[in-house]
Amino acid sequence: GESVGLHLPTLSVQEGDNSIINCAYSNSASDYFIWYKQESGKGPQFIIDIRSNMDKRQGQRVTVLLNKTVKHLSLQIAATQPGDSAVYFCAENSGGSNYKLTFGKGTLLTVNP
Amino acid sequence: DTAVSQTPKYLVTQMGNDKSIKCEQNLGHDTMYWYKQDSKKFLKIMFSYNNKELIINETVPNRFSPKSPDKAHLNLHINSLELGDSAVYFCASSQDGLAGGDTQYFGPGTRLTVL
Repeated sequence: GESVGLHLPTLSVQEGDNSIINCAYSNSASDYFIWYKQESGKGPQFIIDIRSNMDKRQGQRVTVLLNKTVKHLSLQIAATQPGDSAVYFCAENSGGSNYKLTFGKGTLLTVNP
Repeated sequence: DTAVSQTPKYLVTQMGNDKSIKCEQNLGHDTMYWYKQDSKKFLKIMFSYNNKELIINETVPNRFSPKSPDKAHLNLHINSLELGDSAVYFCASSQDGLAGGDTQYFGPGTRLTVL
């Protein structure tokens, strides 16, 4: 399968459970953060974003939490569905006024029916 | 309608060859990007252009030359291809890209394999 040899952090959940994917970012000056979802063979797809003046933002079935003190970002997915299976990336704007996204390692989420 | 499109989707070529990947966006965005994703899924920015001007160049070998004929297109030309260039290359675009805090929309990727 695609995950063989990737050595990505992995999270396996049952359908209907809530999922929490964590990310540690590197630059304390980063002011904007995004979560992307990448399905097999496709490009990253925007899920939700948050600015550094917020600590929580909710979307449809997803919530992003930002803890600037410990430089930690998390993505919570409620009632996880098989279609949520993908690699999830956090990204930070580390370029200041020259908008440059630095991506995290990625987490492979597998949802078992 | 496809927002960010890339051609070709797959590219297989021999070491030493020169190849190009094309990208077009129909979102009316001002900024476009090229990213490289390696076999471990690590995604790293290579270049960004704002209104045809180079903004970011992330220490990419000069064998890689981006060209932006207009703000809707950003092509990537690679000279003297090497085995280590094998990866998936993604194009992306964002509305502004200079203010910080714009969503980037990604294309479907071009899988380059150098033999």
